[in-house]
Amino acid sequence: EAGVVQSPRYKIIEKKQPVAFWCNPISGHNTLYWYLQNLGQGPELLIRYENEEAVDDSQLPKDRFSAERLKGVDSTLKIQPAELGDSAVYLCASSLAGTGVYNEQFFGPGTRLTVL
Amino acid sequence: DAKTTQPNSMESNEEEPVHLPCNHSTISGTDYIHWYRQLPSQGPEYVIHGLTSNVNNRMASLAIAEDRKSSTLILHRATLRDAAVYYCILRDDGAGNMLTFGGGTRLMVKP
Repeated sequence: EAGVVQSPRYKIIEKKQPVAFWCNPISGHNTLYWYLQNLGQGPELLIRYENEEAVDDSQLPKDRFSAERLKGVDSTLKIQPAELGDSAVYLCASSLAGTGVYNEQFFGPGTRLTVL
Repeated sequence: DAKTTQPNSMESNEEEPVHLPCNHSTISGTDYIHWYRQLPSQGPEYVIHGLTSNVNNRMASLAIAEDRKSSTLILHRATLRDAAVYYCILRDDGAGNMLTFGGGTRLMVKP
């Protein structure tokens, strides 16, 4: 079975340009997460979806970041405009819904963004 | 979220056991102890988790102190492929699948 798929794997853009990342979760996983990982640090949650609903987006910088999961499957994370400090790895993860029992998160390989 | 403390880095020799420590002195009664690891250029992957009793699976063992204020992830025979950053995470039982990652321990395995 395929794991979490992310594209592109690498992206280099100039500051003030827009950028988008795509994630396809494991089939049947209701919950989808986007994380930001700065160099040498652990991942930090940006947003969490239960099906198509964003249930936790408190850490998403809404002035420039947006995300969507229109049909409750694939998701896109967008930055517009990008800033130098946005250079990082953007990770997508998915899991079954967490109701009563723990369901592990499965991570994709991430998209490494470099803003020049 | 309760905080965990891990060494920044550790070294091990290939084919020897590795004990990765984690301190969590403020752990609450409903906090589970999770371990994830992140291989180079990959996303994190689940290793093991437990509440009070020691746990074993095909990847590792988790030894939990009796007072639950510390735990140790044990890799019984390190291989070069085990070189990764290992994250010790506390997850409240009421938090669903939510995880809050810290800095982790970078494990280096020498041939």
